[in-house]
Amino acid sequence: DTGVSQDPRHKITKRGQNVTFRCDPISEHNRLYWYRQTLGQGPEFLTYFQNEAQLEKSRLLSDRFSAERPKGSFSTLEIQRTEQGDSAMYLCASSLATGNYEQYFGPGTRLTVT
Amino acid sequence: QQQVKQSPQSLIVQKGGISIINCAYENTAFDYFPWYQQFPGKGPALLIAIRPDVSEKKEGRFTISFNKSAKQFSLHIMDSQPGDSATYFCAVRITGGGNKLTFGTGTQLKVEL
Repeated sequence: DTGVSQDPRHKITKRGQNVTFRCDPISEHNRLYWYRQTLGQGPEFLTYFQNEAQLEKSRLLSDRFSAERPKGSFSTLEIQRTEQGDSAMYLCASSLATGNYEQYFGPGTRLTVT
Repeated sequence: QQQVKQSPQSLIVQKGGISIINCAYENTAFDYFPWYQQFPGKGPALLIAIRPDVSEKKEGRFTISFNKSAKQFSLHIMDSQPGDSATYFCAVRITGGGNKLTFGTGTQLKVEL
């Protein structure tokens, strides 16, 4: 399967703990995006990378959130000192930087903060 | 500030019928309009997309109609099937906005036998 993959698929953590999620994009895609989706809502943009450069961050991305894409391939999203309001589905998507704009999403990581 | 308004919130259609979902936007700087389909517990899957220089695009049973002057676009699902039961999201991309997408609030479609 050459689609976008995410790990883990589910994460339950206690409030105050740190969590890290991983995304592996489609191999030839140089853009990678993180979105957050809460129940009953559409995905909301968090941040995106072109290769290893983080080009934009949403104001939704508080200072407890950090994302990296060190070698321009996989990416990690870390949430420090988790809060109950962080409970959501975290989605990763990837696309080419030129040509068509099609973004392909992974299956998401469901985070539950207790 | 909601940049794209999607309706209806939910929709029930009989098998074989036509499902129609609408989205309206305000910003004329949008240049790409995709529709995504999402099943419970899964990530959104790209269904079909259109650019503003085209008024209609058809792929199989799925058609996007785009009305630039009214700032509206809609998804039509012909011959709706129970397997089409899912949540559908419209999205918009702003020109020069790094390809990030802004999504509508979703329409939960149920196709009944």
